Amino acid sequence: EAGVAQSPRYKIIEKRQSVAFWCNPISGHATLYWYQQILGQGPKLLIQFQNNGVVDDSQLPKDRFSAERLKGVDSTLKIQPAKLEDSAVYLCASSAASQSRGKHFGPGTRLTVT
Amino acid sequence: AQSVSQHNHHVILSEAASLELGCNYSYGGTVNLFWYVQYPGQHLQLLLKYFSGDPLVKGIKGFEAEFIKSKFSFNLRKPSVQWSDTAEYFCAVNAGSSNTGKLIFGQGTTLQVKP
Repeated sequence: EAGVAQSPRYKIIEKRQSVAFWCNPISGHATLYWYQQILGQGPKLLIQFQNNGVVDDSQLPKDRFSAERLKGVDSTLKIQPAKLEDSAVYLCASSAASQSRGKHFGPGTRLTVT
Repeated sequence: AQSVSQHNHHVILSEAASLELGCNYSYGGTVNLFWYVQYPGQHLQLLLKYFSGDPLVKGIKGFEAEFIKSKFSFNLRKPSVQWSDTAEYFCAVNAGSSNTGKLIFGQGTTLQVKP
């Protein structure tokens, strides 16, 4: 099966600019996650979708971050405006159910904010 | 708050040496435990997981982990490492009855195996 697809793979922007990331999960996976991985740390969950509904966005900085999964398939994560501390790898993952079994991660998007 | 602590940030071993990476978590209830591996330039991959039953879990590539409930630990082991095991290893916990799939990760351990 095809894996989780993410684009772009790399992005460099200046602070205060906006940026968007795209994720296409494995076909049929109802649950989609966005994680932020800062250098030297483990991934941190930003938001979880079940189909097109948000299950958990408690750690999403909602003043600047937004995410959507309108048709319950692919998803976009946006940052506007970006700050230096947003420099990180943004990982998308998907799973067939809301449980943690069989979570598949994408290659990530490495964001550098200058 | 739930947390995961990995004791070793950077481990350097020679080939054929034995490996043990420590992982402790803070949560008093039911937990699901995971080890993920990220090889250089590759995606995060599931190495092994524990949900219930035998606390000694075997994963891919000869790795195993033991869940010790009394110690809140889930240490990763491999009797003889290979150069190809060079990677970053993450311990993760999914805790609580809601079972939403939210994983809490440790900060990771970088393993460097010298040929």
